[in-house]
Amino acid sequence: NAGVTQTPKFQVLKTGQSMTLQCAQDMNHEYMSWYRQDPGMGLRLIHYSVGAGITDQGEVPNGYNVSRSTTEDFPLRLLSAAPSQTSVYFCASSRTSRNEQFFGPGTRLTVL
Amino acid sequence: AQSVTQLDSHVSVSEGTPVLLRCNYSSSYSPSLFWYVQHPNKGLQLLLKYTSAATLVKGINGFEAEFKKSETSFHLTKPSAHMSDAAEYFCVVSDSGGNKLVFGAGTILRVKS
Repeated sequence: NAGVTQTPKFQVLKTGQSMTLQCAQDMNHEYMSWYRQDPGMGLRLIHYSVGAGITDQGEVPNGYNVSRSTTEDFPLRLLSAAPSQTSVYFCASSRTSRNEQFFGPGTRLTVL
Repeated sequence: AQSVTQLDSHVSVSEGTPVLLRCNYSSSYSPSLFWYVQHPNKGLQLLLKYTSAATLVKGINGFEAEFKKSETSFHLTKPSAHMSDAAEYFCVVSDSGGNKLVFGAGTILRVKS
């Protein structure tokens, strides 16, 4: 099993550009989520999904969109990048949110 | 709403001495609580979790944590620190619906030789 994979590992964007961060898991997990990690703030939940076709907002959803068309994939879209979105982004999956979360390796995003 | 407070942003110990990382939580129900560890430039790994079974939870690499409802605490301990324990540690609580995880701000553990 590959576990949770994220692409790209690094990305630099200009303000106003859009892009999609990819996340995939091969563990047949129903629950998937996206976090951003900023120094001194821990991880903050952006969006989550409890199954294909079902998504909901987390703590910091503004400026981000998600969709869940399959169990395996949970892409995160930045609609119009802003410098405040410079961060490290982690995708995670688990059977439910009360189970162990399996984290991807992260994407380091810089918005200029 | 649930919240988590990690009482120390940095903890420094000598190799071979005990480790204590403190975590207080607020929750209006019986929570699920977790400790995760993140080594530099790595993803996060589960150390241990509490889900309303035994209040003393044993995890990997010799870590354990005790759930104290009266004190709303879930402190992480290890009897003897190893150099490889140097990392950032996160205390996490699951919300009432069980769909959202709330992370503490993290504690950076430094282990001196």
